[in-house]
Amino acid sequence: DSGVTQTPKHLITATGQRVTLRCSPRSGDLSVYWYQQSLDQGLQFLIQYYNGEERAKGNILERFSAQQFPDLHSELNLSSLELGDSALYFCASSVTFSGANVLTFGAGSRLTVL
Amino acid sequence: GQSLEQPSEVTAVEGAIVQINCTYQTSGFYGLSWYQQHDGGAPTFLSYNALDGLEETGRFSSFLSRSDSYGYLLLQELQMKDSASYFCALQTNAGKSTFGDGTTLTVKP
Repeated sequence: DSGVTQTPKHLITATGQRVTLRCSPRSGDLSVYWYQQSLDQGLQFLIQYYNGEERAKGNILERFSAQQFPDLHSELNLSSLELGDSALYFCASSVTFSGANVLTFGAGSRLTVL
Repeated sequence: GQSLEQPSEVTAVEGAIVQINCTYQTSGFYGLSWYQQHDGGAPTFLSYNALDGLEETGRFSSFLSRSDSYGYLLLQELQMKDSASYFCALQTNAGKSTFGDGTTLTVKP
């Protein structure tokens, strides 16, 4: 157990629907990152938050949004889902956002869009 | 932006040494990290280089040359459990970590 908790582990939904993925960072970590990993692909950076504020944005679609709450948990909202959104979504956390920044990943949420 | 290149696949035999290379392009970064991911699992941190040179952590070592925009991960005394995907990642000044596409290592008996 890495200490980063992601729910749900698996999610099957239909095109056009909306889902919310949840992440609780490791205790003491203030920074949360979201990554998307499609089948046999690398980890695509989506967005990063630090202590509730957005710090960096990657190739995140306009249909996707995220936020980090005062208790530091984060949610990734995916709307108007398309078949191509099927992927493993990882959340990672770290103590800070600069310097020697080790990311601790959760087990991921596997999204299947039918 | 940043980009990283790694070989897509590497195969080696148990007990051998293997080197996974990573070349990158970036305008500034804190350091280069390496992560291991077993099939379908969470990536886990292996090693980090902020400065040029070799960092050793048990059977794993990582090297960075900023002047050559190049790094590598060296795995010694390969074991079957080392079969996994290995990602290099640039930690940029903005705080985000950009990952390469990963190298699938297959260890054969």
